[in-house]
Amino acid sequence: AQTVTQSQPEMSVQEAETVTLSCTYDTSESDYYLFWYKQPPSRQMILVIRQEAYKQQNATENRFSVNFQKAAKSFSLKISDSQLGDAAMYFCAYRSTFGNEKLTFGTGTRLTIIP
Amino acid sequence: SQTIHQWPATLVQPVGSPLSLECTVEGTSNPNLYWYRQAAGRGLQLLFYSIGIDQISSEVPQNLSASRPQDRQFILSSKKLLLSDSGFYLCAWRNGGILGDIQYFGAGTRLSVL
Repeated sequence: AQTVTQSQPEMSVQEAETVTLSCTYDTSESDYYLFWYKQPPSRQMILVIRQEAYKQQNATENRFSVNFQKAAKSFSLKISDSQLGDAAMYFCAYRSTFGNEKLTFGTGTRLTIIP
Repeated sequence: SQTIHQWPATLVQPVGSPLSLECTVEGTSNPNLYWYRQAAGRGLQLLFYSIGIDQISSEVPQNLSASRPQDRQFILSSKKLLLSDSGFYLCAWRNGGILGDIQYFGAGTRLSVL
């Protein structure tokens, strides 16, 4: 079974600075999908970014980018120019491409933005 | 555009009472639908998913059940709630048949069983 590990329960960053959230996963599959979701105080899960494992190029969405290291099974999220609205819980998630519908989530990292 | 509605937003129920949470999706047809639960301070755990009407798969044996009476309606139920059923319940959908497409989540229901 796949597992997702987020080793940083809490992180903080000064407004306008850059922060990196870590995620590692364990799988025996070669093709899969990885996601970062954001959960603000409203509790709704919002997709931040996704990565397809067969693509070597790191995904980027505006101020959000990932560092995908397939061999190391690492999928970190970098937030540049941090804004107050970025404060939230961030969850890393894994999904297989083979029939299984399940998103496997990590335990999350709480990100605080310091004004 | 597609939207997902989930209700109620909050619910307080006594132990042993029944439960019915509803989720509907608009703007798409034949979506894959999901129920997740999030315990306090933890990630999400998939409870049920459905790829079509009356096609329900259970991921975790529970005191809960799910039904999909219509294409875009997904219901989470229990006949008798337990204290351990307390948590935050999220419904999600994705385009059926498209591998790797994104799961979109509803606003969630906070359930407190007392």
